[in-house]
Amino acid sequence: EAQVTQNPRYLITVTGKKLTVTCSQNMNHEYMSWYRQDPGLGLRQIYYSMNVEVTDKGDVPEGYKVSRKEKRNFPLILESPSPNQTSLYFCASSLKGGGNQPQHFGDGTRLSIL
Amino acid sequence: SQQGEEDPQALSIQEGENATMNCSYKTSINNLQWYRQNSGRGLVHLILIRSNEREKHSGRLRVTLDTSKKSSSLLITASRAADTASYFCATAFTGGFKTIFGAGTRLFVKA
Repeated sequence: EAQVTQNPRYLITVTGKKLTVTCSQNMNHEYMSWYRQDPGLGLRQIYYSMNVEVTDKGDVPEGYKVSRKEKRNFPLILESPSPNQTSLYFCASSLKGGGNQPQHFGDGTRLSIL
Repeated sequence: SQQGEEDPQALSIQEGENATMNCSYKTSINNLQWYRQNSGRGLVHLILIRSNEREKHSGRLRVTLDTSKKSSSLLITASRAADTASYFCATAFTGGFKTIFGAGTRLFVKA
């Protein structure tokens, strides 16, 4: 089954403790992206990747890191999480970038930073 | 911010009625997409309309695009309780790879 898988689905942690949210897709998609969703603000793009080893900042990249060493994986790293990063996070992928293909979304990761 | 804007923010209708949601954006786009999100779940793609198209249909969905006004609308005809969800427009600007989502319209369809 074609899917985007995120882990963990839920995480409660404390300020400053490094964490990684994994994202994996099995559709051989070139484009992958991370979003955060906050009430009243819709989805905001954190980082995106056009292909292996090619990443770029979205609208809200501060406090986050990403890497794209393999086509299927696109982990999101919070080196020193802070309470303002408490949010619902989504990973998505599409065949190509540039918005010409629909994006497939994971089920989301709800992060609480205390 | 280049974020698109949607209106209304929330919409409550009776089953069987039509629901119309609007999306505006700020710069030239490659295309515009509409997504649906059930409460707290991942988004599901509904329809993509290219910048050279004016109208597109998919089942009970009708999307229009007016590039001169930088706006799009999503019409859901003969709504059902199962259509209750949030609906988002998303744009990719010409020559770019960023995706910009609107803040969404929450639709509630009463049975």
